[in-house]
Amino acid sequence: DSGVTQTPKHLITATGQRVTLRCSPRSGDLSVYWYQQSLDQGLQFLIQYYNGEERAKGNILERFSAQQFPDLHSELNLSSLELGDSALYFCASSVLGRVNEQFFGPGTRLTVL
Amino acid sequence: AQTVTQSQPEMSVQEAETVTLSCTYDTSESDYYLFWYKQPPSRQMILVIRQEAYKQQNATENRFSVNFQKAAKSFSLKISDSQLGDAAMYFCAYLDNNDMRFGAGTRLTVKP
Repeated sequence: DSGVTQTPKHLITATGQRVTLRCSPRSGDLSVYWYQQSLDQGLQFLIQYYNGEERAKGNILERFSAQQFPDLHSELNLSSLELGDSALYFCASSVLGRVNEQFFGPGTRLTVL
Repeated sequence: AQTVTQSQPEMSVQEAETVTLSCTYDTSESDYYLFWYKQPPSRQMILVIRQEAYKQQNATENRFSVNFQKAAKSFSLKISDSQLGDAAMYFCAYLDNNDMRFGAGTRLTVKP
């Protein structure tokens, strides 16, 4: 158990819908990262937040957005969902910046039908 | 954009033997970090080992060690005395100030 929690564990929805994935980092970790793992695209870094502020952006689509709240939990919002958005979405956290060890959550499996 | 290439989609090793997983990367940066992550069937991502590019000494963590060749942009992972629990997908990852990228992964099978 990494100490990072993600909810829900599984999510099934339809194209065009909007969903929110939630992540709670390990106690004391200030950075939160979001990753997408799909069969055709592999594992991709989406976005990083540090202490409530966006720190780095990866291959995140404009239909996707994220935020980190004052209690340091984070949410990833996915809108206008497409079939290709079906993937495993990981959240990770680290004490400070990205060079520190990142602890991954168990992931949220999103299926878009 | 930085790319990370793992040329071995699958590898197999006999229990107690040694196996090396390959990774090459492309970057114009001089300051960066490299990682190997393990993803067992549970899908949990677990950090195996980390290498800072400014360090010449190869990182080692128990049975896991790397061969970091900065000029060749190569970062291979050696697993010694392989155990059944080492069976997993292994991802090589690159990180600099602006980007983090993963390779496509190598699936390691350990035969008893």
